[in-house]
Amino acid sequence: EAQVTQNPRYLITVTGKKLTVTCSQNMNHEYMSWYRQDPGLGLRQIYYSMNVEVTDKGDVPEGYKVSRKEKRNFPLILESPSPNQTSLYFCASSSNLRGSSTEAFFGQGTRLTVV
Amino acid sequence: AQSVAQPEDQVNVAEGNPLTVKCTYSVSGNPYLFWYVQYPNRGLQFLLKYITGDNLVKGSYGFEAEFNKSQTSFHLKKPSALVSDSALYFCAVRGGSYIPTFGRGTSLIVHP
Repeated sequence: EAQVTQNPRYLITVTGKKLTVTCSQNMNHEYMSWYRQDPGLGLRQIYYSMNVEVTDKGDVPEGYKVSRKEKRNFPLILESPSPNQTSLYFCASSSNLRGSSTEAFFGQGTRLTVV
Repeated sequence: AQSVAQPEDQVNVAEGNPLTVKCTYSVSGNPYLFWYVQYPNRGLQFLLKYITGDNLVKGSYGFEAEFNKSQTSFHLKKPSALVSDSALYFCAVRGGSYIPTFGRGTSLIVHP
């Protein structure tokens, strides 16, 4: 089954304690992306990756890091989480081959609370 | 830069009535247009897409959308709403960069 898997689904942590949210896809997609969803603000892109070892900032990258060492994995790293990073996070993947028309596939989300 | 506008934060409709959720876009070149639905505590799920061809696109759960190039719109429609259609709906566009841009979402509430 084609899917994007995020872990964990729920996480409560304390300010300043480094954490990683994992994302893995099994569709051999080139493009992967992280979003945060906050009430009234819709989906905001944090970082994206066009392919292995190629990453770029989205609209709200401050306080986040990513890496793309393998095609299937795209972890989101919060080196020093702060309460304003409390949010619902989604990972997504899609094909970006020229001529491709695939839609984005989303993970189930990670609800992060930073206290 | 590409953009998507969903002008309504919330749409209310009675069960059995037709529904429309509006979306307009701006993009360079030919657009790839998508609608997604998000149910509470779930990720976004794909509903339908326009790539090329017929301007009326049919998708999952009886939804359809009409591509209008002159008005740069891609409104989501359903002839008869169900209470179970109540959810958050996102419109998205992809252009030549292949990076999708999402609208802010429209909350659809279907009243019994």
